[in-house]
Amino acid sequence: AQSVTQPDIHITVSEGASLELRCNYSYGATPYLFWYVQSPGQGLQLLLKYFSGDTLVQGIKGFEAEFKRSQSSFNLRKPSVHWSDAAEYFCAVGALGGTSYGKLTFGQGTILTVHP
Amino acid sequence: SAVISQKPSRDICQRGTSLTIQCQVDSQVTMMFWYRQQPGQSLTLIATANQGSEATYESGFVIDKFPISRPNLTFSTLTVSNMSPEDSSIYLCSVAPTGIGVEQYFGPGTRLTVT
Repeated sequence: AQSVTQPDIHITVSEGASLELRCNYSYGATPYLFWYVQSPGQGLQLLLKYFSGDTLVQGIKGFEAEFKRSQSSFNLRKPSVHWSDAAEYFCAVGALGGTSYGKLTFGQGTILTVHP
Repeated sequence: SAVISQKPSRDICQRGTSLTIQCQVDSQVTMMFWYRQQPGQSLTLIATANQGSEATYESGFVIDKFPISRPNLTFSTLTVSNMSPEDSSIYLCSVAPTGIGVEQYFGPGTRLTVT
């Protein structure tokens, strides 16, 4: 069964500082990996995705993520955080086989607070 | 990506009643999904709703409690039946418009409170 772990429940950074949110996954085949962001009272917005190929993927809003198969990780990064980045971030892994085709399994989320 | 809307955006319901949530997308999509997000928790898949077939439910979710309709390629409904306070959650629909089932885009969600 697939699973996702986001070790950090809450992270606080200063505006302009760099950011890294951690994500570790467990999946028996080639993973399909995603980062979503959820602002308060909003739905989920897809930030970026990894299917195959280049292990460093670029997303929207200046975010990037790096897939490391040896570490089963897919960490999200941003070089300079803006106050508007304050939100909750979810990492997810997707299944494309078997009875769970299309199922996304989400991590517990990381709440990002940005100090001015 | 697709534009997805949900109705209602929020509701407060009494226990024992039912609520039907609508999900509308602006383009035809084969795969639609319903998720639940309990307070302070992550998202959990309830069921997959593909047009022309019965919904497929995940372990822990049953059709009698969460009946789903998918009458066409742009619309789906989820009913939360015989509600209890434990059903208080955000319910989100998602679609896979690119044809890659796991590349999903989410609606804004329906925030349900059961009293």
